[in-house]
Amino acid sequence: SQQGEEDPQALSIQEGENATMNCSYKTSINNLQWYRQNSGRGLVHLILIRSNEREKHSGRLRVTLDTSKKSSSLLITASRAADTASYFCAPRRGAQKLVFGQGTRLTINP
Amino acid sequence: DTEVTQTPKHLVMGMTNKKSLKCEQHMGHRAMYWYKQKAKKPPELMFVYSYEKLSINESVPSRFSPECPNSSLLNLHLHALQPEDSALYLCASSQDSERGRTGELFFGEGSRLTVL
Repeated sequence: SQQGEEDPQALSIQEGENATMNCSYKTSINNLQWYRQNSGRGLVHLILIRSNEREKHSGRLRVTLDTSKKSSSLLITASRAADTASYFCAPRRGAQKLVFGQGTRLTINP
Repeated sequence: DTEVTQTPKHLVMGMTNKKSLKCEQHMGHRAMYWYKQKAKKPPELMFVYSYEKLSINESVPSRFSPECPNSSLLNLHLHALQPEDSALYLCASSQDSERGRTGELFFGEGSRLTVL
């Protein structure tokens, strides 16, 4: 199964700054998904980028995908306290089960 | 309706008890999942049901018994658990249609299980 490796493991920034986290994976994919998890809650699907796409936007989120480097990045602009959460990437290959990496723990300081 | 509902939110049980976790979705999704998550760790896949049939069992101990009575419901029956089974149990669903499997998962808020 496919598993993403997120980097950094932890990130602490000031409110209003941009946050960037990265994901690397090992094999070819159909799409790559990003999820957010607030402490003790369920995961929320943020954005999906297909293998033939290079960049996608959703509100303050920008995701890029470089299939040649097998990597993706998630940029959160103008961060808010509510963005404090763990972020997981999930590379998806066909019907393969979705496996989550260790995630990036993002802390937004007021 | 884009909601996955899990009950109970919290459950405390002894090692000899039998209890069940329940999950329900009304999005017409045909794949449903159980994940287990320990503190500060990522969710770990336990079971996947596809079209009400068990398609993946990640070598989960038999003290966890999944059941999918219909396409909207997923249960996890618990019996003779150990304290190390204490965790957040997450249910998820996805469309997983035959064509264009995007595979976005919709998660419930989880059931926090404590085994004494």
